[in-house]
Amino acid sequence: KNQVEQSPQSLIILEGKNCTLQCNYTVSPFSNLRWYKQDTGRGPVSLTIMTFSENTKSNGRYTATLDADTKQSSLHITASQLSDSASYICVVVDNAGNMLTFGGGTRLMVKP
Amino acid sequence: EPEVTQTPSHQVTQMGQEVILRCVPISNHLYFYWYRQILGQKVEFLVSFYNNEISEKSEIFDDQFSVERPDGSNFTLKIRSTKLEDSAMYFCASSATQRGGYTFGSGTRLTVV
Repeated sequence: KNQVEQSPQSLIILEGKNCTLQCNYTVSPFSNLRWYKQDTGRGPVSLTIMTFSENTKSNGRYTATLDADTKQSSLHITASQLSDSASYICVVVDNAGNMLTFGGGTRLMVKP
Repeated sequence: EPEVTQTPSHQVTQMGQEVILRCVPISNHLYFYWYRQILGQKVEFLVSFYNNEISEKSEIFDDQFSVERPDGSNFTLKIRSTKLEDSAMYFCASSATQRGGYTFGSGTRLTVV
């Protein structure tokens, strides 16, 4: 069964600090991996999309890495801001592109 | 920036009633999806839709569920006879290509009482 596991489940950091969120997956065959930011009660918003051939991709203060051999990804947030407080969800897309498998998310809280 | 629009934002219905959740995908997108998220749980795939037919559905998407694209702009999810466990946030999403970026709507919070 396709699974996406994320760690930690929750994280509290001080404003201005960096953090790294982890994602392990078992989806196979694999098309791409996405990181989403989800504010409470809102729909997920895409941060990055990575295919199996990409090792790293940046979007502003967000940098995602992917190791397709070990089936691991990370999302690094630099110089955190209060507005970064949200759930960050790792999503893996199967090769057919029809189905997304969502991780449980990491709930990040940035405190002043 | 183009958005996926969902209505209503919140719906309360009695158990056993039919509900229709509405979505207006981005106009040039061809692939449409419904997902749900029970409070405190992961987002779960329900169904994908392309070329006026279902291309994939999960085991959650049983005979109580149906989808329709009644005109060129709307994409609906119907739950025929709601159960308490159908209470969740339902997200519509669309994409221009099969493996491309999805745009999610803000969701409809369905509460079955």
